[in-house]
Amino acid sequence: DAKTTQPNSMESNEEEPVHLPCNHSTISGTDYIHWYRQLPSQGPEYVIHGLTSNVNNRMASLAIAEDRKSSTLILHRATLRDAAVYYCILRANAGGTSYGKLTFGQGTILTVHP
Amino acid sequence: KAGVTQTPRYLIKTRGQQVTLSCSPISGHRSVSWYQQTPGQGLQFLFEYFSETQRNKGNFPGRFSGRQFSNSRSEMNVSTLELGDSALYLCASSLISTGERGELFFGEGSRLTVL
Repeated sequence: DAKTTQPNSMESNEEEPVHLPCNHSTISGTDYIHWYRQLPSQGPEYVIHGLTSNVNNRMASLAIAEDRKSSTLILHRATLRDAAVYYCILRANAGGTSYGKLTFGQGTILTVHP
Repeated sequence: KAGVTQTPRYLIKTRGQQVTLSCSPISGHRSVSWYQQTPGQGLQFLFEYFSETQRNKGNFPGRFSGRQFSNSRSEMNVSTLELGDSALYLCASSLISTGERGELFFGEGSRLTVL
């Protein structure tokens, strides 16, 4: 699986935007970029995913570089509930045989200050 | 819609014992995968089941095994427990998709402590 690189930790203040970067220089043309987060004492939860175009949903936005070698997860207004470990994961097209395998890195620990 | 349910949530075993963990996926989900989470190694993929067949397996010794039943419920078993098996074991389910979706839904995990 292609590897992703994320900062170990980031800090933000409540109600400010947060930009979480992810580098994936060895991404292949068919890899999707997925983001999951894990709140304390919970299992990971899906945040957003994309292939080439920027994506928005109710939780966040995903900005993908034109060369696809990096991406940024954007939380528009951080809340205390957004404090979690954020994982950037490359996922091969689910049309293959491995539907349930995700390769997690160490992720970015996001701290949100009141 | 009920989420992924894992039982038991907490358990304590001693070295050499075996343990069975259970996972009930979201209704309609046919793929179930298992992960181990430890402070040192992070989240690691154990194996994945679909229609009662193991489709993929991570790099874990044969002491770790699993199965899936016809109703998609899954169990994993760890035999001859070692101290290093202490971890949070997470189950995730997903709909099978030929597209890029494949979002995984995780349970809250079963925390195993081996003494």
